[in-house]
Amino acid sequence: NAGVTQTPKFQVLKTGQSMTLQCAQDMNHNSMYWYRQDPGMGLRLIYYSASEGTTDKGEVPNGYNVSRLNKREFSLRLESAAPSQTSVYFCASSLQGAGYGYTFGSGTRLTVV
Amino acid sequence: QKEVEQDPGPLSVPEGAIVSLNCTYSNSAFQYFMWYRQYSRKGPELLMYTYSSGNKEDGRFTAQVDKSSKYISLFIRDSQPSDSATYLCAPGGSYIPTFGRGTSLIVHP
Repeated sequence: NAGVTQTPKFQVLKTGQSMTLQCAQDMNHNSMYWYRQDPGMGLRLIYYSASEGTTDKGEVPNGYNVSRLNKREFSLRLESAAPSQTSVYFCASSLQGAGYGYTFGSGTRLTVV
Repeated sequence: QKEVEQDPGPLSVPEGAIVSLNCTYSNSAFQYFMWYRQYSRKGPELLMYTYSSGNKEDGRFTAQVDKSSKYISLFIRDSQPSDSATYLCAPGGSYIPTFGRGTSLIVHP
């Protein structure tokens, strides 16, 4: 049972480049989430999808877009990367909703130079 | 103001010590709380889920909520070097939780 799988695990981008972070879960969870984690800032919610076909902004959505491709997959896109987007990105999923407990992926470490 | 606040530490203790990790919260409507453990360079994992009354025990871990002071605690008995991690608290229930910054715990042999 893989749980939540994120790809890639590491990425270095140049300022202005674009990329898509992929996330897939095999637990038949309804809700999926993208967080970023920065030193001293904790986990901050970027976007979430409460169910297939819906997406909503979180605390820090600027500079990002998301797609809930199907029930299993939720991708995060950076259209024009900036150094301020250097961070560790975590995808998470939940069966009932975020407040009942997440399963997190192992993270993507992104550096924008 | 974040929904929960934690002292980031680090908290350094010797192996075998009893550890107390704490959070304060601001919203008296919170009824459930979650504790996550995050090892270095890994994603957080759900450690305990507790309702806001009394204690909940799971092995060496005990979660406690004090509603009157809006204070959440996680106690670890007989701490082990493998407990070295960052511990995050968050409100549970129907909310999309805002996580505390986490407290870094170091258990040295």
